[in-house]
Amino acid sequence: EAGVAQSPRYKIIEKRQSVAFWCNPISGHATLYWYQQILGQGPKLLIQFQNNGVVDDSQLPKDRFSAERLKGVDSTLKIQPAKLEDSAVYLCASSLISTWGYTEAFFGQGTRLTVV
Amino acid sequence: KQEVTQIPAALSVPEGENLVLNCSFTDSAIYNLQWFRQDPGKGLTSLLLIQSSQREQTSGRLNASLDKSSGRSTLYIAASQPGDSATYLCALRQGGSRLTFGEGTQLTVNP
Repeated sequence: EAGVAQSPRYKIIEKRQSVAFWCNPISGHATLYWYQQILGQGPKLLIQFQNNGVVDDSQLPKDRFSAERLKGVDSTLKIQPAKLEDSAVYLCASSLISTWGYTEAFFGQGTRLTVV
Repeated sequence: KQEVTQIPAALSVPEGENLVLNCSFTDSAIYNLQWFRQDPGKGLTSLLLIQSSQREQTSGRLNASLDKSSGRSTLYIAASQPGDSATYLCALRQGGSRLTFGEGTQLTVNP
């Protein structure tokens, strides 16, 4: 079974530039998460999708961050314009909701963003 | 709002030692708890998943327990090895499939 795919793995941009990250979840997984992980901290949820609908985006800085999940499969996360404090690893995860409850969440390798 | 705390933040032990990592949470209304391992510069690897109705799960040298009433989970690692060196994260699944993480415990196992 293929895992969660993310690209690119690394990205360096200047502040005020824009950047986009892509995620392809495990086939059949309806729930997709984007997390931001700053060095030395635990992952912080940015946005959660159920199929192509947003379930939770309460911690997404909507003035500069946006995300979409067209057709309920792939997802993109965009930052425009980037700030120095956006330097972090952006993690995508997916999980399956079965008839008996929530299953494991599986994570991609992440995209390491450096804003200079 | 769910608060998840992991203690200690960092731990250094000699090879072969048995060790316990702790995870505490403030809201016991959870569906499950998942322990992850994260190697430097990498994503998260799932180690164990405990459903809210379970008390523990085992995989090889790893054993995770869950006590919802006290808001605690522990990850026990037996006979630690240098390859176990990594950051260990616990995450709680709540209503709406929200997944909330602790800050992690950075483990170093010295040969």
